[in-house]
Parts: sequence; structure tokens; C-alpha cells
Amino acid sequence: SQQGEEDPQALSIQEGENATMNCSYKTSINNLQWYRQNSGRGLVHLILIRSNEREKHSGRLRVTLDTSKKSSSLLITASRAADTASYFCATISGGSYIPTFGRGTSLIVHP
Amino acid sequence: DARVTQTPRDKVTEMGQEVTMRCQPILGHNTVFWYRQTMMQGLELLAYFRNRAPLDDSGMPKDRFSAEMPDATLATLKIQPSEPRDSAVYFCASGLAGTGGEAFFGQGTRLTVV
Repeated sequence: SQQGEEDPQALSIQEGENATMNCSYKTSINNLQWYRQNSGRGLVHLILIRSNEREKHSGRLRVTLDTSKKSSSLLITASRAADTASYFCATISGGSYIPTFGRGTSLIVHP
Repeated sequence: DARVTQTPRDKVTEMGQEVTMRCQPILGHNTVFWYRQTMMQGLELLAYFRNRAPLDDSGMPKDRFSAEMPDATLATLKIQPSEPRDSAVYFCASGLAGTGGEAFFGQGTRLTVV
């Protein structure tokens, strides 16, 4: 069963625009991660934010976490056609270290 | 360049046949995951190993699926007998427990059961 649920399911933007994806989850977490999946490939880890952190940056990526609302957002600034992919959030809860994935947001960036 | 290696990349088989998927985790990682990805269900956890011991296989249909780690360099997922509803992409991922749970994924095995 999915712990995280991404929103929107699909997003289509023009190159240079910002893309924002949201993730909501149900139970308390240790950390939340975002992954990218290009078509026909495996998932690639992008960024991890711990439950005691509120914001994290990595290059053009900005992740926020609001544990009171059980939600996270991923912002990709100045998007490029190469950012076209599906983006998944995954939560880690308890001591199992098992990432539990949402269904993902499909992002299309038009050149 | 450390990576998780999965074989085969693609497999087409007839219903009722045995299917074996193999995974070589990243050297030094102590956790291995098997996930199944379908359009309908998304990414589902099938099995989870830590230090080669199976810790969670509750997501796996026990009557036909089995997962093992014969040694630290090999994880296998077997389906016997296979059914058309098993058609999916199967991913193996490895990681290091205690570092936050980041998972490193292989490229997947695309299984088609006809």
C-alpha cells in the first residue's frame, strides 16, 4: 500500500518554467526522499529530507517538509527538457529503512 | 562506478513456466529490496533482506513467488508457475541500513507472461 501520494498525477510545462510537485503521507516518518524515473529505467535518488528539517536544496531542486501537515513539495527551478520524467516521493518510517513509494507525478517539459 | 545489476533486462515467457530474475547489489550494501511496478498498482514492495536474511516478504504471493540471497553478491526472485497477471517490471534495489534508507535501483526486468 502507498504511504505517499503525489499531486498532480501529471504536469506539463514549458522549458524555463518552474515545476512543483506535492506529496502527502499518512503516518509519522523518519525521512522523506524524492526519486526520478526516466522512461524504461530504474529510479534514481534525488534528495532526502529528515523529519527535523524543513527545507533542503540541491542544485535546481528545492524540497520542503511540513510534518504537521504530513506533506512535502519538490520544486524544480528553470526546468529543462531533460527533466522530463516521473517523480516519486518515498517515506521511511520506523526502523525498517524500507522506502514506501507513492504513485508518482509524470512531468513533461516542452522545449 | 557502483551500480545494481539486474538480469535479464527483458523476459517473455509462457504461462506456467518458471521465471528467475537475478540481482547483484552494490558491494557493501546490507539491504536488498525487490519491487514490482505496474501501471495499476505503482511500486509495490515484494521482499526485503538485511544482511541476507529475509525480513519482510508480506507483499509477495507465497504460493508462486520466492526470494533468496544465496550470497552477498546475488539475490534471486523466482516465479513458479508464472501467470499473465505477473507481467510487470521488477526492480531490485540495494542500500545501507542506518544511512537514511536511500535505495539504489537496478534497471529492472520487464516480464511479459503470455
